[in-house]
Amino acid sequence: EDQVTQSPEALRLQEGESSSLNCSYTVSGLRGLFWYRQDPGKGPEFLFTLYSAGEEKEKERLKATLTKKESFLHITAPKPEDSATYLCAVQASGGSYIPTFGRGTSLIVHP
Amino acid sequence: EPEVTQTPSHQVTQMGQEVILRCVPISNHLYFYWYRQILGQKVEFLVSFYNNEISEKSEIFDDQFSVERPDGSNFTLKIRSTKLEDSAMYFCASSERGGRGFNEQFFGPGTRLTVL
Repeated sequence: EDQVTQSPEALRLQEGESSSLNCSYTVSGLRGLFWYRQDPGKGPEFLFTLYSAGEEKEKERLKATLTKKESFLHITAPKPEDSATYLCAVQASGGSYIPTFGRGTSLIVHP
Repeated sequence: EPEVTQTPSHQVTQMGQEVILRCVPISNHLYFYWYRQILGQKVEFLVSFYNNEISEKSEIFDDQFSVERPDGSNFTLKIRSTKLEDSAMYFCASSERGGRGFNEQFFGPGTRLTVL
């Protein structure tokens, strides 16, 4: 069974304090790994897609990286507006395109 | 900026009643999806829809559930006889592409379904 585990469950940072969120996965073969941001009471907002080990994507203060077993979402000099839950989802290779989501990391950035 | 909209934002119903959740996907998108998120739990895929038919569905999407695109703009999820465990946030999403573009999806704000 495909597994997606995100850590930590919750993270509190001071504004400007860089850190990383982890998404480890166990799938028979990876088709794609996806990062989303979810604000309270709202739907997930797509951030990045990563397809192969070694790939990196950047957007403003966020950088996503991928290895064969895990992905990291690096947040550089975060601001309070980066506070949200960050979700990771994995799509396994094969006939199905159904994604498996992790539980998310709740990030709070204090001013 | 185009966005996915969902109505109602909150639906309260009695166990055993039918509910219809409505979504208006982004106008040029061709692929449509429903997800649910039980409070405090993971986002779970329910169904994907393309070219007026279901592309894929999860184990959750049993005979109690159905989807429809009744006209050129709306996409609906019907739950025929609601159960307590159907209480969740239901998200609609759409994407321009399928396949590898599957997860470049735009999500709506969700409908919170409460079954009493």
